[in-house]
Parts: sequence; structure tokens; C-alpha cells
Amino acid sequence: AQSVTQLGSHVSVSEGALVLLRCNYSSSVPPYLFWYVQYPNQGLQLLLKYTTGATLVKGINGFEAEFKKSETSFHLTKPSAHMSDAAEYFCAVSLYSSASKIIFGSGTRLSIRP
Amino acid sequence: SAVISQKPSRDICQRGTSLTIQCQVDSQVTMMFWYRQQPGQSLTLIATANQGSEATYESGFVIDKFPISRPNLTFSTLTVSNMSPEDSSIYLCSVGRDHRGTDTQYFGPGTRLTVL
Repeated sequence: AQSVTQLGSHVSVSEGALVLLRCNYSSSVPPYLFWYVQYPNQGLQLLLKYTTGATLVKGINGFEAEFKKSETSFHLTKPSAHMSDAAEYFCAVSLYSSASKIIFGSGTRLSIRP
Repeated sequence: SAVISQKPSRDICQRGTSLTIQCQVDSQVTMMFWYRQQPGQSLTLIATANQGSEATYESGFVIDKFPISRPNLTFSTLTVSNMSPEDSSIYLCSVGRDHRGTDTQYFGPGTRLTVL
């Protein structure tokens, strides 16, 4: 069975600093991997996804993630944090396609210090 | 992409009653799913809503508690039956258009349910 582990339920960085949110997955077959963001009192928005091909995936708002099969990881990064990045971030995996059911990690709340 | 609307956006209900949540998509989609997000928690898949057949439920969720309908390729409903305070959550529908694995899954804005 597939699963997702997000390390750190809460991450706090200073504005302008590097953002690194960690995600590891477990899957018996090549997975489809996602990062979603949820702003307070809003729905989920897709940041980026990995299906096949290039392992470094660029998303919206300056975020990117790298699929590392050997490490079963899909960490999310952003070179310079902005106050507007404060939100809950979810790493997720699906097996059969990028449109099939998704298993979510527990989430990481990102706070930005002025 | 897909534009997804949910009704109601929020509701406060009494214990023992039922609430039906609607999910409408602006185009035909292959897959529709219902998720629950309990306060401060991640999202958990309740079921896959299949067009023309019964929904497929995940472990821990049953049809009697969460009956689902999907009469066509753009619409689905989730009913939360015989509610208790533990059912207070955000319920989200999502849709996916699977074109050889190249499409993705989009989420509705959610329905925030409070059970007193």
C-alpha cells in the first residue's frame, strides 16, 4: 500500500529565507506525486506534480520539487520565502494516474517570520 | 482545468439529522471523489463516486453513513447521515479527467460542516 510521510508538522522561516518542506513516500509501483497548498479557510490548490520524465518539477509561485527515487523523496523548495506563502502544504501520492484517488500526507504548516 | 462548485459552502446541523452536499463540475469528468478533512487534520478519502454504479468506499467508511449519488458525468452528492459532533469536518469533492495519466485532480472549495 502507498503512504506519504511529511516530516515536521510546522515549519517556520524568515521572509527571504529558503523554504524546505520534506516528503517521503512509499509505493510498490512508480508513483504520481503532488504538492497541494491550502490557504486559511480555502480549498486545495495544486502547486506542482510529478508524473514521468524530468525529476525536477517547477510549480506555481516559485516552488519546485525534485523526485528522488533512490531516496523515495519529493521535497518542496522555494529559494526565497514570501509572507504570502504562509499556508498548509500537503504532499500526496496516487498510483494509477494523476487523476486517480490520492493519498495525502499529514500536512506541514508553513509560517513566515517578518 | 475544471471549475468545481459545492453547495452548501457551510452549514450548522443538529445531531441526528442528515445533510446532502452537492458537487457540480463545469465539464464532464471521468473520476469524482469525496474527501473529509477533520479539524486540524489532513484529507482522507471517503469514496470514489462512479457514474452509473455504486460508489467505492474506503476502509472505515460505509454506504449507510455516507450515501453517494452520481447521476451523470458532471454532478455528485454526498449525504452525511445521522450526524454526530464527530462528523464536524470540511467535506471536499474532487474531479479527475484521466487522459493516459496526463491529467490531474482538482478540488472543490469544500463544505464546512458543524454538528451540534
